Amino acid sequence: GAVVSQHPSWVICKSGTSVKIECRSLDFQATTMFWYRQFPKQSLMLMATSNEGSKATYEQGVEKDKFLINHASLTLSTLTVTSAHPEDSSFYICSAPWGGGGYTFGSGTRLTVV
Amino acid sequence: GENVEQHPSTLSVQEGDSAVIKCTYSDSASNYFPWYKQELGKRPQLIIDIRSNVGEKKDQRIAVTLNKTAKHFSLHITETQPEDSAVYFCAASRDGNKLVFGAGTILRVKS
Repeated sequence: GAVVSQHPSWVICKSGTSVKIECRSLDFQATTMFWYRQFPKQSLMLMATSNEGSKATYEQGVEKDKFLINHASLTLSTLTVTSAHPEDSSFYICSAPWGGGGYTFGSGTRLTVV
Repeated sequence: GENVEQHPSTLSVQEGDSAVIKCTYSDSASNYFPWYKQELGKRPQLIIDIRSNVGEKKDQRIAVTLNKTAKHFSLHITETQPEDSAVYFCAASRDGNKLVFGAGTILRVKS
């Protein structure tokens, strides 16, 4: 139980374009979704918290106009990287708390901006 | 907000020896402390967790201890095997809120 499906698993895009990453909770309702970014050989850094039906909360230093988060339903949260640049290349991963008391993670998205 | 520090950043042990990774946290209200193992390009995999009402938890070769007063918790792996080689992260959270990760430890088990 408590599965989050994340797509795509990898994406290559041109500089200046936008990329959307989706996280779907398959067997539970995710009222909250956490979005993390992980650069090579570094830890998972929280970017923002999305809550179903309300605006996302961004961590300090994360540009909300660049990283658009939408959580329109209890089963879907999306992260859109707008006007992507090579420095946005990273591993993006979503996570949701679930009723069992822990957290479930998506499989991650490797974004490469060329 | 919560801040989690993790040490050491790298750890090399001989196969069969024990490995210990330590973390400290800053928010005394944190009540959930998981440990994850992560392989390159993969999602973190929960290996053990502990809640603030428990001081120690063990699962076969893996154990976690928690000292709430000192605000630190540790991962203990006994009888290490080459397949234990990976990156390990500690984390802390409160009541299902955001999970804050430590910087990670690269564990190398030499055979």
